[in-house]
Amino acid sequence: GAGVSQSPSNKVTEKGKDVELRCDPISGHTALYWYRQRLGQGLEFLIYFQGNSAPDKSGLPSDRFSAERTGESVSTLTIQRTQQEDSAVYLCASSSRRQGRTDTQYFGPGTRLTVL
Amino acid sequence: SQKIEQNSEALNIQEGKTATLTCNYTNYSPAYLQWYRQDPGRGPVFLLLIRENEKEKRKERLKVTFDTTLKQSLFHITASQPADSATYLCALVRGANNLFFGTGTRLTVIP
Repeated sequence: GAGVSQSPSNKVTEKGKDVELRCDPISGHTALYWYRQRLGQGLEFLIYFQGNSAPDKSGLPSDRFSAERTGESVSTLTIQRTQQEDSAVYLCASSSRRQGRTDTQYFGPGTRLTVL
Repeated sequence: SQKIEQNSEALNIQEGKTATLTCNYTNYSPAYLQWYRQDPGRGPVFLLLIRENEKEKRKERLKVTFDTTLKQSLFHITASQPADSATYLCALVRGANNLFFGTGTRLTVIP
């Protein structure tokens, strides 16, 4: 595709509900990242996928957060039993290993999650 | 843990002047540092990368410096324009391929 896409663009949910956020990376990009950005704050790393390697989950804030990726394509970030503190913009990025360790990350537009 | 500070939350500057944004980091020195631009409601967009063995990098009206002794990077926009108004983020490499982002500086260029 032309760029990284994310869906939905906005999600409003009630406290305690589960939500799924989707990311479609740029075709051919082997690396995929999820970040969280709270209002007025910087990006907080959540999880990183690289090819078929085990994902780096070191940024996930709690066991309510999980993510999956099918091969080198779509990824889904799931938040269970949402809390109001989960309200933020969730950004997905992908990068190509062909650029070596100077990989530029290409970001999607984000999903704005609001937990009422 | 690694900490990144960007000089201020907001910076206002007159059109035509040079904007200078600062990124300071603690602990280990990164192999490279990146600068991104983020517009409201959008994801960050990559602008420039500078490696630890590079002192300066330029791209059109943009210039980035990297001082590993001071643990600081400066980001300059010369001949600033209102269209340059955005939030600018610096990011350091962390781990295998993760970027550790600063909180950003919101730049407003006043016509």
